[in-house]
Amino acid sequence: GESVGLHLPTLSVQEGDNSIINCAYSNSASDYFIWYKQESGKGPQFIIDIRSNMDKRQGQRVTVLLNKTVKHLSLQIAATQPGDSAVYFCAENRAGRRALTFGSGTRLQVQP
Amino acid sequence: EAGVTQFPSHSVIEKGQTVTLRCDPISGHDNLYWYRRVMGKEIKFLLHFVKESKQDESGMPNNRFLAERTGGTYSTLKVQPAELEDSGVYFCASSQDEGRRYGYTFGSGTRLTVV
Repeated sequence: GESVGLHLPTLSVQEGDNSIINCAYSNSASDYFIWYKQESGKGPQFIIDIRSNMDKRQGQRVTVLLNKTVKHLSLQIAATQPGDSAVYFCAENRAGRRALTFGSGTRLQVQP
Repeated sequence: EAGVTQFPSHSVIEKGQTVTLRCDPISGHDNLYWYRRVMGKEIKFLLHFVKESKQDESGMPNNRFLAERTGGTYSTLKVQPAELEDSGVYFCASSQDEGRRYGYTFGSGTRLTVV
């Protein structure tokens, strides 16, 4: 069945370093991808999205890379800050289906 | 504008009891979604409403779960009777369109514990 999965369940980085969170997906029909940040006691918050006609998109301190050949996307966070500590989820959907398919999440821990 | 509101934020019930979760989407959002995260695993889709109609309920685990959205405004998700494996965090989200142009907004979730 279709699935979106993550390689690393926990990522620990030093404050100021760059973070890279990876995600693999299996459905080749997926054409829209979103990264969410979830802090304790809150719902998922949108970080950045990318469509399948792009391979890179940048936001403020964040970059998403999409490699459709190997069905992989990553989230890069520049100059990671303590406030970036959270669980990060990738999610995808495809045209014609509005529901999102989520990965299992990666916990990012930022050490001061 | 007000966000997506979920009530209660926490619920602890005994196995076999009934629990009803409520979600108030952003006003004007026709699309309403229920998801849940069980045992710290991935967030899984349960169902999708467009206004008061169930557009996709492929993620509903079994007939102990009943979702309604009367009048196309708020939605309820009832679990009856609750089982231990139903414990987790239930999220509601809403979107104005199909989600790609204006995005999905999630509520803070209801943490359900079945003991």
